[in-house]
Amino acid sequence: AQKVTQAQTEISVVEKEDVTLDCVYETRDTTYYLFWYKQPPSGELVFLIRRNSFDEQNEISGRYSWNFQKSTSSFNFTITASQVVDSAVYFCALSEARHTGGFKTIFGAGTRLFVKA
Amino acid sequence: GAGVSQSPRYKVAKRGQDVALRCDPISGHVSLFWYQQALGQGPEFLTYFQNEAQLDKSGLPSDRFFAERPEGSVSTLKIQRTQQEDSAVYLCASSLGLAGYNEQFFGPGTRLTVL
Repeated sequence: AQKVTQAQTEISVVEKEDVTLDCVYETRDTTYYLFWYKQPPSGELVFLIRRNSFDEQNEISGRYSWNFQKSTSSFNFTITASQVVDSAVYFCALSEARHTGGFKTIFGAGTRLFVKA
Repeated sequence: GAGVSQSPRYKVAKRGQDVALRCDPISGHVSLFWYQQALGQGPEFLTYFQNEAQLDKSGLPSDRFFAERPEGSVSTLKIQRTQQEDSAVYLCASSLGLAGYNEQFFGPGTRLTVL
């Protein structure tokens, strides 16, 4: 069965610190997709990044970077030099095809990040 | 606007009332999802539409929950005889294609409070 675990419920850092958000997933499929979404205080989830199960290349986008390791079933997210605007809840998600057609996405419980000035 | 919109944004219902929540996806998006988000939790999958076809409703908590998307665009989530445990934020999301790699675009949600 699908499962996404974000063990860190809340993290608090001071501005300019680096912070890593952990995500561990479980799946029996060989083809799947992993995502990170950000939910700011305004409430709407916003897509950040996607990775497919065949692409373990790490990615950097500005202050954001992602480390995907199939051997440990992890897809961790690092924010470098954090800023107050990074304060939000971050969700890791796993998407798999369904035998009924289409696909299903499972979200972790989220990690609430507080960045203090 | 070009994003996903949901209405109403807030709904207060008395226990036993029926409610209907509306989602307007991004125009042209084939896939539409409904999620339930309890306070402090991640979105929980409820149901999935591919155009007008409801391909997966395995997440609907009971037969009191019903969703439709009759013309493959606007969708309505209906909850009959609401219970207090139905109180949550109901999120709608749409995506352009049919595959799992398409990112989902989320609406602002409808916060349902059942008294």
